[in-house]
Amino acid sequence: AQSVTQPDIHITVSEGASLELRCNYSYGATPYLFWYVQSPGQGLQLLLKYFSGDTLVQGIKGFEAEFKRSQSSFNLRKPSVHWSDAAEYFCAVGLTDSWGKLQFGAGTQVVVTP
Amino acid sequence: NAGVTQTPKFQVLKTGQSMTLQCAQDMNHEYMSWYRQDPGMGLRLIHYSVGAGITDQGEVPNGYNVSRSTTEDFPLRLLSAAPSQTSVYFCASRSPSGSRETQYFGPGTRLLVL
Repeated sequence: AQSVTQPDIHITVSEGASLELRCNYSYGATPYLFWYVQSPGQGLQLLLKYFSGDTLVQGIKGFEAEFKRSQSSFNLRKPSVHWSDAAEYFCAVGLTDSWGKLQFGAGTQVVVTP
Repeated sequence: NAGVTQTPKFQVLKTGQSMTLQCAQDMNHEYMSWYRQDPGMGLRLIHYSVGAGITDQGEVPNGYNVSRSTTEDFPLRLLSAAPSQTSVYFCASRSPSGSRETQYFGPGTRLLVL
């Protein structure tokens, strides 16, 4: 069955430290891959996306993600976290023939401590 | 552009009542969709539309109806609300296919069914 897994429900990180959020997918073919961020009480904002080409993708707010086909992973990273990065992060996948139908992971809540 | 707008922001219903969640976009996007967000489950697709007059079911369509009479509007109808429909509802629209395609989300509607 197709699935998107974010293994970490909750991550606490110190301000200035690096952050890595994991995302694994199970699909028959390489899907389109996305990371979204949701601040409390807000909608979803697209951080970055991967369709094809360079497997290291740069996004907004200093985030990047790396697609690893062999591991079926699309992990999100940021070298130095700011307090404003506290939010919930969602990995999502879309099929190449109908990518608009996104399947989301359960989300990872990120808490940033001083 | 206002982007994707949703009304109302909050709603409380009694079991068995009906209501319509409104969604509108001013970006001339053909593709629109509705998701619900529940704790620990990410977002799940309810219904989607690939253009005026064309709708289809997503992952969790039961209890919801949609129609698409114009490109701009994509309302979601609850005919007989149930407590299981307590959730946050997000509408989204997608830009045309190609390297710039992305999905834009509205701010959400919080629904409580008593």
